[in-house]
Amino acid sequence: GENVEQHPSTLSVQEGDSAVIKCTYSDSASNYFPWYKQELGKRPQLIIDIRSNVGEKKDQRIAVTLNKTAKHFSLHITETQPEDSAVYFCAANDRGSTLGRLYFGRGTQLTVWP
Amino acid sequence: SAVISQKPSRDICQRGTSLTIQCQVDSQVTMMFWYRQQPGQSLTLIATANQGSEATYESGFVIDKFPISRPNLTFSTLTVSNMSPEDSSIYLCSAGTSGPNEQFFGPGTRLTVL
Repeated sequence: GENVEQHPSTLSVQEGDSAVIKCTYSDSASNYFPWYKQELGKRPQLIIDIRSNVGEKKDQRIAVTLNKTAKHFSLHITETQPEDSAVYFCAANDRGSTLGRLYFGRGTQLTVWP
Repeated sequence: SAVISQKPSRDICQRGTSLTIQCQVDSQVTMMFWYRQQPGQSLTLIATANQGSEATYESGFVIDKFPISRPNLTFSTLTVSNMSPEDSSIYLCSAGTSGPNEQFFGPGTRLTVL
C-alpha cells in the first residue's frame, strides 16, 4: 500500500514569515493529495488539495506544489499568522482500491509566534 | 462539502462495557470511514463502512472489537466493544465520494475508558 512521509514534525516561525511542509509518497499511481489543518480539540479540516494533472494550486496565502517524478508534494503558507498555528496533515489516495481511502502523514505541528 | 455530525461528543466508560458512536451526514455520500486518533498522533483508519455489506477492516482491527453498521448512504455507527483503557482515544468518522476522494470529518468522539 501507499506510504506517506511528512517533514518536519514540528515547525516554528515568526509571524509574517513563510512555512513549508513537505511530504513524500511511495505509490506512483496516487493521484489525489489533500492537506488537512487540525486545531487543538477540533476536527481535521480540508484546506487545499491537488490532483496529479496539475503541478501547483493556490488559495490566498496557501499553496500546494506537486512533483510527480520525485513523488513529493509540499504545502506553502505565506505571511503566516498566529491563527495558522495547528497540526497539518498531508495525505495521498489509494488508486489500487475502489474504497477511496487516504493514507495520512504523521503530521506537522506549526507554531506561529507573534 | 458534506456536514457531518457525531454522537456522543465525549463519554467516560467503564472497562468491559461497549459504546456505540453514531455518524450522520447531511447528504448522501458514497464513502464513510472510521478513524482513531490518539493524542498527538496521526489518523489511523479503522475501517471503511460499506452500505449494505460488511465493513472493510484495516490490519489490526477486527469486527468483533469494532462492529460497524451502515444501513443507508447518510448514517453509520461504530461500536467499541469490551472496552479497556487502551481504547481511550478520539474516534472520527469521515465521508466523501469515491471519485474525487475528498473526505470531510465529523467532530469526533472523545472516549475515556476507566
